[in-house]
Amino acid sequence: AQKVTQAQTEISVVEKEDVTLDCVYETRDTTYYLFWYKQPPSGELVFLIRRNSFDEQNEISGRYSWNFQKSTSSFNFTITASQVVDSAVYFCALNDRGSTLGRLYFGRGTQLTVWP
Amino acid sequence: EPEVTQTPSHQVTQMGQEVILRCVPISNHLYFYWYRQILGQKVEFLVSFYNNEISEKSEIFDDQFSVERPDGSNFTLKIRSTKLEDSAMYFCASSVGPVGGTYEQYFGPGTRLTVT
Repeated sequence: AQKVTQAQTEISVVEKEDVTLDCVYETRDTTYYLFWYKQPPSGELVFLIRRNSFDEQNEISGRYSWNFQKSTSSFNFTITASQVVDSAVYFCALNDRGSTLGRLYFGRGTQLTVWP
Repeated sequence: EPEVTQTPSHQVTQMGQEVILRCVPISNHLYFYWYRQILGQKVEFLVSFYNNEISEKSEIFDDQFSVERPDGSNFTLKIRSTKLEDSAMYFCASSVGPVGGTYEQYFGPGTRLTVT
């Protein structure tokens, strides 16, 4: 069965602090894809990153970085030097071969609040 | 930048009424999805649609739900007889190819459905 766990329900930081959002996933497939989406207060879901199970290389995009570790089934997301605009709910999601055309399994999300 | 659009942004309906939620996916996308998010909860998959037929549906997507691509641009979700528990944000998404490849889903801004 597929499952995504985001154990941190809410995180509050002060601007310029670094923050890491945790994501742990479960799947029986050896081929799978992991995603992060951002949901700002306006409500839309904004795609941030996709990672496939064969690529464990960490990725950095500006202030964002992602740490994928198959050994611990984790795909954590770090925001460096956080800003107020980073305040949002962040969702981790999984797609695996058990889904024909791209069903995503989402975690419950982490509400990040960045205070000025 | 092309985007997925959804109308209406907010729909209020009485229990037992039929509602149709509309989506215009990104024009060159071939795969379409509906998800829902009950307030404060995780995003849940409803259905995926490709080549004018349902590819996969979740246990939530029962006989009360149906999807249609009535023309070359719209993708609709119909709920035949709404229940209080159908109150949620409904997201439409689309992708160029199946998410299991190198593609990601792009989400619309959502329609907030309130059943009274």
